[in-house]
Amino acid sequence: AQKVTQAQTEISVVEKEDVTLDCVYETRDTTYYLFWYKQPPSGELVFLIRRNSFDEQNEISGRYSWNFQKSTSSFNFTITASQVVDSAVYFCALRSSNTGKLIFGQGTTLQVKP
Amino acid sequence: EAQVTQNPRYLITVTGKKLTVTCSQNMNHEYMSWYRQDPGLGLRQIYYSMNVEVTDKGDVPEGYKVSRKEKRNFPLILESPSPNQTSLYFCASSFEGTHTDTQYFGPGTRLTVL
Repeated sequence: AQKVTQAQTEISVVEKEDVTLDCVYETRDTTYYLFWYKQPPSGELVFLIRRNSFDEQNEISGRYSWNFQKSTSSFNFTITASQVVDSAVYFCALRSSNTGKLIFGQGTTLQVKP
Repeated sequence: EAQVTQNPRYLITVTGKKLTVTCSQNMNHEYMSWYRQDPGLGLRQIYYSMNVEVTDKGDVPEGYKVSRKEKRNFPLILESPSPNQTSLYFCASSFEGTHTDTQYFGPGTRLTVL
């Protein structure tokens, strides 16, 4: 079975702190893709990053970075120097190779206080 | 502008009154999908379509119907809505149904069934 677990339900930090959102996944596929989406208070789902299973290189985009470790089936997301605008629900997801569906974690609500 | 649009964005209805939520994409994507988002459950797939005239059930298809007569449109039909279908609904599309593709989401439709 395929599954994505985001154990942190809610995280609260003060602006400028670094924060890491955890994501652990299960799959039997040898090739798979992982995604992170952001859902701000306005409700839309914003694509952040896609990562394939055969590329374990970490990725950095501005204040955002992602750490993919196949050995521990984890795909963690770090925000450096957090800002109030980073307040949102963040979803990690795994895309099924059979049906194309996205299997989402339950989401982590991040609150960044000024 | 490349986008996925949904209408209506908000809907309050009563039990048993048939309704349709429209979804349209202008990116010539083959794959389209509907998800519902509920607190504590993340997003779950309702139906998906790999291409025109090809649809299939997702994880929670009961009480819903879909059709894919044209590539750009993928309406979600609730023949007899019930209160347990009160939810936030998202339509998504991607170029293909493969696991490599990124799914892009519409703005969401918040449905309340009284």
